[in-house]
Amino acid sequence: AQKITQTQPGMFVQEKEAVTLDCTYDTSDPSYGLFWYKQPSSGEMIFLIYQGSYDQQNATEGRYSLNFQKARKSANLVISASQLGDSAMYFCAMRESTTSGTYKYIFGTGTRLKVLA
Amino acid sequence: GAGVSQSPRYKVAKRGQDVALRCDPISGHVSLFWYQQALGQGPEFLTYFQNEAQLDKSGLPSDRFFAERPEGSVSTLKIQRTQQEDSAVYLCASSLEPKTGRNQPQHFGDGTRLSIL
Repeated sequence: AQKITQTQPGMFVQEKEAVTLDCTYDTSDPSYGLFWYKQPSSGEMIFLIYQGSYDQQNATEGRYSLNFQKARKSANLVISASQLGDSAMYFCAMRESTTSGTYKYIFGTGTRLKVLA
Repeated sequence: GAGVSQSPRYKVAKRGQDVALRCDPISGHVSLFWYQQALGQGPEFLTYFQNEAQLDKSGLPSDRFFAERPEGSVSTLKIQRTQQEDSAVYLCASSLEPKTGRNQPQHFGDGTRLSIL
């Protein structure tokens, strides 16, 4: 079973509009973390936002916010006031503990966002 | 620079050759991860180091893949007897965790794009 599911392979949004990128996750670790990364066509992975499993409030970072619904196991990324430079691949990732006492990050398959002028 | 540095940026090798990919993490970062990213996919975990100790190598696809971080800083991923299916982008990431809190993101290098002919 997929641990991180991103059901939207591609999304379009008009410039200055808001867009929501979906992410659902599956874990039995009570203390996990959720991250969103942006990967432009140049290839670098850029950290956007973090949500801890025990955080009571939804995380926000500038134009990025994370709609965290723990019971539904979803962690959707909301980008407000889209800009042309937001066009990129977006990955949802989860950090969970392993049985060996370490931890690892699991990434989704990504959503390609295209912002239209 | 202050970021994670990977070299070479691009590597072309003939099938059967050995390759070595280098990662220079951010100074002071305890954790170091290697990922393999196929075209259009999310990064797939390969291995994890905490300082010089390789704590998890469960993601290495075969015994042709070997990683080391002998002094707890620079890491090398070696692939022996390369095959065409090894063609991918290899990403390295480092993190302050577990030295600090769990909300520390991974910082990624620009990756090495490996092409096996």
